[in-house]
Amino acid sequence: ETGVTQTPRHLVMGMTNKKSLKCEQHLGHNAMYWYKQSAKKPLELMFVYNFKEQTENNSVPSRFSPECPNSSHLFLHLHTLQPEDSALYLCASSQDPGALRPQHFGDGTRLSIL
Amino acid sequence: GESVGLHLPTLSVQEGDNSIINCAYSNSASDYFIWYKQESGKGPQFIIDIRSNMDKRQGQRVTVLLNKTVKHLSLQIAATQPGDSAVYFCAEIGNNAGNMLTFGGGTRLMVKP
Repeated sequence: ETGVTQTPRHLVMGMTNKKSLKCEQHLGHNAMYWYKQSAKKPLELMFVYNFKEQTENNSVPSRFSPECPNSSHLFLHLHTLQPEDSALYLCASSQDPGALRPQHFGDGTRLSIL
Repeated sequence: GESVGLHLPTLSVQEGDNSIINCAYSNSASDYFIWYKQESGKGPQFIIDIRSNMDKRQGQRVTVLLNKTVKHLSLQIAATQPGDSAVYFCAEIGNNAGNMLTFGGGTRLMVKP
């Protein structure tokens, strides 16, 4: 148990569907992150939220829309995705982005785009 | 699993032997380094960290060594067990904007019984 829970664990969707990924952390952290891990690239940072405010958008296409209603919950809304978006999407949390402390990861959502 | 993808260096060791996994980093201003372990079907799991003002840190069966002169980080696992089989990533926080973690590509450790 890492303290970071992601749902669903697996998701298969068509390119025209709308779905959302959910992340919840029980560690009392202030920062939350979305990463993409695909078979062909190292771990890629997508978004960073600090105290519910987005502080980093790493040139992510607008078909990915994050939402952070509070410091414990993070969503990634998906719309009109492409086959190359198939990947493992990982959520992480940390004390805050600038602190020299580790990020703690969930087990990810395996996303497959048909 | 994926049949085509990122080519990961692989280290194959016998159960009971010691393992050494290496990582080179490029940012000489990096302040903080972390090793993660990722097992199949799971997210990266924190193993051990080290700050730039140290050159060695020990945990339970693991030791991290930092050589800032050559910008090299290593993870030593003592008495490697089958449960240690996983992909290991190093990550660093540099003095860049936002102090974001930068991850290496990973090394796959395979433990032979």
